[in-house]
Amino acid sequence: SQQGEEDPQALSIQEGENATMNCSYKTSINNLQWYRQNSGRGLVHLILIRSNEREKHSGRLRVTLDTSKKSSSLLITASRAADTASYFCATVPYGGATNKLIFGTGTLLAVQP
Amino acid sequence: DAGITQSPRHKVTETGTPVTLRCHQTENHRYMYWYRQDPGHGLRLIHYSYGVKDTDKGEVSDGYSVSRSKTEDFLLTLESATSSQTSVYFCATTTGNQETQYFGPGTRLLVL
Repeated sequence: SQQGEEDPQALSIQEGENATMNCSYKTSINNLQWYRQNSGRGLVHLILIRSNEREKHSGRLRVTLDTSKKSSSLLITASRAADTASYFCATVPYGGATNKLIFGTGTLLAVQP
Repeated sequence: DAGITQSPRHKVTETGTPVTLRCHQTENHRYMYWYRQDPGHGLRLIHYSYGVKDTDKGEVSDGYSVSRSKTEDFLLTLESATSSQTSVYFCATTTGNQETQYFGPGTRLLVL
């Protein structure tokens, strides 16, 4: 069963603009993670935010978590063509084994040069 | 790809034939996972291992078996491949904190 649902499914922006994608999930979580997947490649971990955190930054990435709404957002600032990829959220359900992630269906981001 | 390799990278096979995919890691990570990725479904966990000879089922384990005889190798076997198992298969491992996962490059499997 899918825990996370990303929105939008696809996003096209110009280089230099900000990109925002959202993730909603169904059950309480221990943490939420964002991954990037370039075409034809494996997933790469971007950032992890725990259930007791509300915001986290890493370089041009900003992640927020609203546990009351069961949602998270990933903001990529000053986007570059190299940011073109699919982005997935993944959750570790509360009380579940911390080694098992449940992935959403992803947002496909296209950054036009 | 954090020292994770998958073989083969591409395979075409026929319905009813057995297929084994291999995941090899050089990081000495305890946990290893097999996922499949299909359009509209994201990644779904097939099986995972929490140590040598210790494995458990994931969300979509029917039709798949796994084995782990060494820390570095995790094998996924399709006993009798079906067209519904056409997919991209990813192996992943975790570090000691068991939270961040590191993924291999994937194996693209086509079952005709």
